[in-house]
Amino acid sequence: DIQMTQSPSSLSASVGDRVAINCRASQSISNYLNWYQHKPGKAPKLLIYAASSLQRGVPSRFSGSGSGTDFTLTISSLQPEDFATYYCQESFSTRMYSFGPGTKLEIK
Amino acid sequence: EVQLVESGGGVVQPGGSLRLSCADSGSTFDDYTMHWVRQAPGKGLEWVSLINWDGSTTYYADSVKGRFTISRDNSKKSLFLHMNSLRSEDTAFYYCAKSVRYGSGRGDWFDPWGQGTLVTVSS
Repeated sequence: DIQMTQSPSSLSASVGDRVAINCRASQSISNYLNWYQHKPGKAPKLLIYAASSLQRGVPSRFSGSGSGTDFTLTISSLQPEDFATYYCQESFSTRMYSFGPGTKLEIK
Repeated sequence: EVQLVESGGGVVQPGGSLRLSCADSGSTFDDYTMHWVRQAPGKGLEWVSLINWDGSTTYYADSVKGRFTISRDNSKKSLFLHMNSLRSEDTAFYYCAKSVRYGSGRGDWFDPWGQGTLVTVSS
């Protein structure tokens, strides 16, 4: 099974800051990596698919990069509505999916 | 607009059973692979199961294999999760989600998701 790790596990930042969240796979997954945003009591929301493609309707301050085993989600200028938990997910495995443990982004 | 709505959650005793449902208000339910994903209290997201467009292919996480059964009724645009032999560690919010899986089975993503239904396994 593919194991996904994320760093940091939590992050305090201010509105306007640029932040980066890292995700690592235990083996190469090409670009089969997605990013989701999740707020308490809400449906998780797809932000980035295939490592770097921005989902329709997602603000352009969100971007994704990486391939192989190392990936990054970057938010260029934090907005108040961006404080949430972020998860990476691999879709390389054909009979299962693995999520990273999540990164909680909090207001400083 | 809300497209996927889960229901059927509740409190159940260990060893009990429960059936979750997910209703799709979108127009093309049978074009999509459907998934169940859960989140235990204070934990992250865990993929549970998938079913392909016509129900001919199903996969399960090892943690639920042999206890949970996924099914769908395309005529009613509905997805189900039959959960048996429930354990305390099955306590979680359960979400349904859509994806488009290609021939390789790789490279899909989950969109949209429902808002979840809470299952609590407790005596």
